[in-house]
Amino acid sequence: QVQLVESGGGLVKPGGSLRLSCAASGFTFSDYYMTWIRQAPRKGLEWVSYISSTATTIYHADSVKGRFTISRDNAKNSLYLQMNSLRAEDTAVYYCASGQNIFQHWGQGTLVTVSS
Amino acid sequence: EIVLTQSPGTLSLSPGERATLSCRASQSVSSGYLAWYQQKPGQAPRLLIYGASSRATGIPDRFSGSGSGTDFTLTISRLEPEDFAVYYCQQYGSSPLTFGGGTKVEIK
Repeated sequence: QVQLVESGGGLVKPGGSLRLSCAASGFTFSDYYMTWIRQAPRKGLEWVSYISSTATTIYHADSVKGRFTISRDNAKNSLYLQMNSLRAEDTAVYYCASGQNIFQHWGQGTLVTVSS
Repeated sequence: EIVLTQSPGTLSLSPGERATLSCRASQSVSSGYLAWYQQKPGQAPRLLIYGASSRATGIPDRFSGSGSGTDFTLTISRLEPEDFAVYYCQQYGSSPLTFGGGTKVEIK
């Protein structure tokens, strides 16, 4: 069955960096767009970034543009999110999900906390 | 950016009752590209409905979606105990894709 497992979250100071990973299994990863979505504590959902199956198309939300970079390694069935210049408002659970527009499969999420 | 406004914020109902959740868009959602998700505490969202009215794989038929343009509705015909959760709408007709603020369905 489809499994998405995020890792790499944690506590980081404002201005710091983190790299999130998402390990995929149970489907042909290289055939699918992949997306990062986040959810601030007790808040709603916010789309962050997506990447096409071959990484030729990449989009980031305006709120993270220039600070976050999505990437993937199809040989390793893995998705990444490099997060730089982190701010308090980036504090959230970060989910990876398969797809570009609608999301049938999600990971369990990894918590990123930006605080001094 | 399309802003989605969900109402009510909280819906207090009893098991067996009908739930009607609203999602209103700030501009027309092209081609009915609207989805609904259910989220329970500590869990990732679960896709219920896409294309405004198509049920996702494995979703019971007590869940139904309707609407077009700027007004969409998720209906749960008879609430089961496991249906008490937060529900989000999401549009994918224009970039950036956006989510509504959610409706919490709680036990009365």
